[in-house]
Amino acid sequence: DTAVSQTPKYLVTQMGNDKSIKCEQNLGHDTMYWYKQDSKKFLKIMFSYNNKELIINETVPNRFSPKSPDKAHLNLHINSLELGDSAVYFCASSPSRASRRNEQFFGPGTRLTVL
Amino acid sequence: GQNIDQPTEMTATEGAIVQINCTYQTSGFNGLFWYQQHAGEAPTFLSYNVLDGLEEKGRFSSFLSRSKGYSYLLLKELQMKDSASYLCAVTASGGSYIPTFGRGTSLIVHP
Repeated sequence: DTAVSQTPKYLVTQMGNDKSIKCEQNLGHDTMYWYKQDSKKFLKIMFSYNNKELIINETVPNRFSPKSPDKAHLNLHINSLELGDSAVYFCASSPSRASRRNEQFFGPGTRLTVL
Repeated sequence: GQNIDQPTEMTATEGAIVQINCTYQTSGFNGLFWYQQHAGEAPTFLSYNVLDGLEEKGRFSSFLSRSKGYSYLLLKELQMKDSASYLCAVTASGGSYIPTFGRGTSLIVHP
């Protein structure tokens, strides 16, 4: 199936741990993103990569580090997890950030719970 | 920056029509999206407006007024499966057309 996939779907961990979320898209898109959706359903951009290069980094703590080995993959590594990091993290892709119609295709989300 | 406002929650009856409003303030406005998000699932694209007017797609229509900074999503012949959150998102010119999302409107359709 052509889609954006991410693993794991659920992640429960202790404060202070380090964890990673993986994302892959087989849509041939140039641009990939990480969004965070908090308990109030507010969907906020964290990072955007275009052809493996970081093009936007919103005010995100440097405990969050994205890595893009190729344009089909964008992983998110989180160090020293905090309670406030609990949220749903969505990976997304779009054909090109330079396109005015920059439609986002979202992965299924990773629900992160920090205890 | 961008500011997007939409009602938090709406309820409607199966078979009825509902209009979900979105107002925005942004410099360099480019276009406006509507996404649907069912509970526990990913947002999915519904519509995109860049010019003033109404875009119709089946039971769903989206309207945009650039001068008023206003859009609405119109859902006709409501079905129970339309119960979901509806997210308004705006893109602006300036190098990258990355959408800024509103907080979403939770629509509850009851029999």
